[in-house]
Amino acid sequence: QKEVEQDPGPLSVPEGAIVSLNCTYSNSAFQYFMWYRQYSRKGPELLMYTYSSGNKEDGRFTAQVDKSSKYISLFIRDSQPSDSATYLCAMRGSSNTGKLIFGQGTTLQVKP
Amino acid sequence: NAGVMQNPRHLVRRRGQEARLRCSPMKGHSHVYWYRQLPEEGLKFMVYLQKENIIDESGMPKERFSAEFPKEGPSILRIQQVVRGDSAAYFCASSPPQSAGELFFGEGSRLTVL
Repeated sequence: QKEVEQDPGPLSVPEGAIVSLNCTYSNSAFQYFMWYRQYSRKGPELLMYTYSSGNKEDGRFTAQVDKSSKYISLFIRDSQPSDSATYLCAMRGSSNTGKLIFGQGTTLQVKP
Repeated sequence: NAGVMQNPRHLVRRRGQEARLRCSPMKGHSHVYWYRQLPEEGLKFMVYLQKENIIDESGMPKERFSAEFPKEGPSILRIQQVVRGDSAAYFCASSPPQSAGELFFGEGSRLTVL
């Protein structure tokens, strides 16, 4: 069983839709949770960074962490074609060694 | 305001040759990380380096792979005697001191082994 599970999709939605992306994890030691966006043939770009449980909002993006369920989510409001990319969740424990555990990534396509 | 710079962006090697991938961190960043992304898989941690020190190499294959971050110059990921299974995208990331793990990734180096 992988430490981090993420549905690879692809997920296709119409422009303007609300998108929900999710990851589950098994290691209760994870405390820091991140979402990265990766365009085709490009490097991952940090979107959201959260610590422990709760919500964090940044523009059209909202990240949620539920440590009791070992479940994290990224919501994208008013989705745009430019949001079409692969979204990777990542997480780590308290030790700051830069060793992130990534999900497989979910491919999102927003159709105009 | 350059980001993390990686070169070459694409590298083709024949089985048994050596591959060298270079990474220059963002200005002011002193921590470098290498990750590998195999087709249809997520990113896998390989190694974490600071200047002249390997901090965590728990994700590095035991043989043929090595990494360094010298006092001067870029970080280098070296793969000796490449095999087809080494074909992947190799990403370098950097972070400033005491960043709580916010990693900034480069565009990656795509290695193809024929």
